[in-house]
Amino acid sequence: SAVISQKPSRDICQRGTSLTIQCQVDSQVTMMFWYRQQPGQSLTLIATANQGSEATYESGFVIDKFPISRPNLTFSTLTVSNMSPEDSSIYLCSVSGQGQNLTFGSGTRLTVV
Amino acid sequence: GQQLNQSPQSMFIQEGEDVSMNCTSSSIFNTWLWYKQEPGEGPVLLIALYKAGELTSNGRLTAQFGITRKDSFLNISASIPSDVGIYFCAGDNYGQNFVFGPGTRLSVLP
Repeated sequence: SAVISQKPSRDICQRGTSLTIQCQVDSQVTMMFWYRQQPGQSLTLIATANQGSEATYESGFVIDKFPISRPNLTFSTLTVSNMSPEDSSIYLCSVSGQGQNLTFGSGTRLTVV
Repeated sequence: GQQLNQSPQSMFIQEGEDVSMNCTSSSIFNTWLWYKQEPGEGPVLLIALYKAGELTSNGRLTAQFGITRKDSFLNISASIPSDVGIYFCAGDNYGQNFVFGPGTRLSVLP
């Protein structure tokens, strides 16, 4: 299965600022996704990152708050904009290919102060 | 939307004991996945199930896809300390996005 590198692994940010998280995959993949895992909670899908077009956002998530880029089949970024303490979570990149299951990166642990 | 329930929410067991946990849904799924997450890491896939009634093993782990397609269980035999973590089930319905359960937190006492 694909190997995913996610950066940064953790960060502490001031409220009102933005953080961009990078996801690099070692092989071309069909689908890339961004998940959020709030403290002690399960995983919630933020959006599907589409190559060369706007991401597809799930209910409750909007592009202005979580802009996503996917310039090619191996790379994507998620930006958490205008952060507040409620945005403190683990953000996870995941990928799947044809007939493959979801593989996750190790996540970015974000703390907003 | 689709929701998954997992039970138990948490469990404390003695090393060497067998573990059983399950995942239920009000909706039908065509794929069930079981993941384990350790602190500071992303979830790691343990077992994938694709057909109703399917029983699949991965070492000491065994999982089954319920015949109603609305449930799945995961068993761990002869637990060891490194089994500690949170176990998530996830369901997929024909290419729609995976839905994750709330997780079962497993603690193994030496």
